[in-house]
Amino acid sequence: AQTVTQSQPEMSVQEAETVTLSCTYDTSENNYYLFWYKQPPSRQMILVIRQEAYKQQNATENRFSVNFQKAAKSFSLKISDSQLGDTAMYFCAFRTGGSQGNLIFGKGTKLSVKP
Amino acid sequence: DAGVIQSPRHEVTEMGQEVTLRCKPISGHNSLFWYRQTMMRGLELLIYFNNNVPIDDSGMPEDRFSAKMPNASFSTLKIQPSEPRDSAVYFCASSFAGEASPLHFGNGTRLTVT
Repeated sequence: AQTVTQSQPEMSVQEAETVTLSCTYDTSENNYYLFWYKQPPSRQMILVIRQEAYKQQNATENRFSVNFQKAAKSFSLKISDSQLGDTAMYFCAFRTGGSQGNLIFGKGTKLSVKP
Repeated sequence: DAGVIQSPRHEVTEMGQEVTLRCKPISGHNSLFWYRQTMMRGLELLIYFNNNVPIDDSGMPEDRFSAKMPNASFSTLKIQPSEPRDSAVYFCASSFAGEASPLHFGNGTRLTVT
């Protein structure tokens, strides 16, 4: 079975500091993509960052970056210079290869950024 | 682009009533997904379509749930009869086919069954 595990139900960080959210996954596929989504209190699901499994280089989007360790099946999200607007639920997800794969989500980590 | 459009945004109904949730995917996307989100179970895939054809409906809880996609620009999720345990936020999402394409989500429908 394909699964995504986020072991930190809740985290908090001081504004302007750095925080890392962890994610591990399990799949027998070789071809897949990994994603982090953000869900603020408005409940909208917003794509934060995407990583191709066949690329060794870690993806970066402004203050957001990932640490992708394929052998360990680990995909953590680092948020630098945390802002109050980063307060949200963060979901790790992956999508397997082929044209029919769906997106499998972890349970999420609730991040609170404190002033 | 207007994004994925879901309606209604909120729905309150009584147990036993029929509920219909609607979704308009992003134009050009050929995959459409229905997810349900609850505190206890997180985000669960109910069903997804490729080119209007249901591919995997194993997540549909029971026969009370049905989903249709009559054309590329419209899908419905129907619950009949509804029960209090169906209370949740229901998301529709669309994407291009293929693992590289991220899903784009609508704003969800919060369903409350009393």
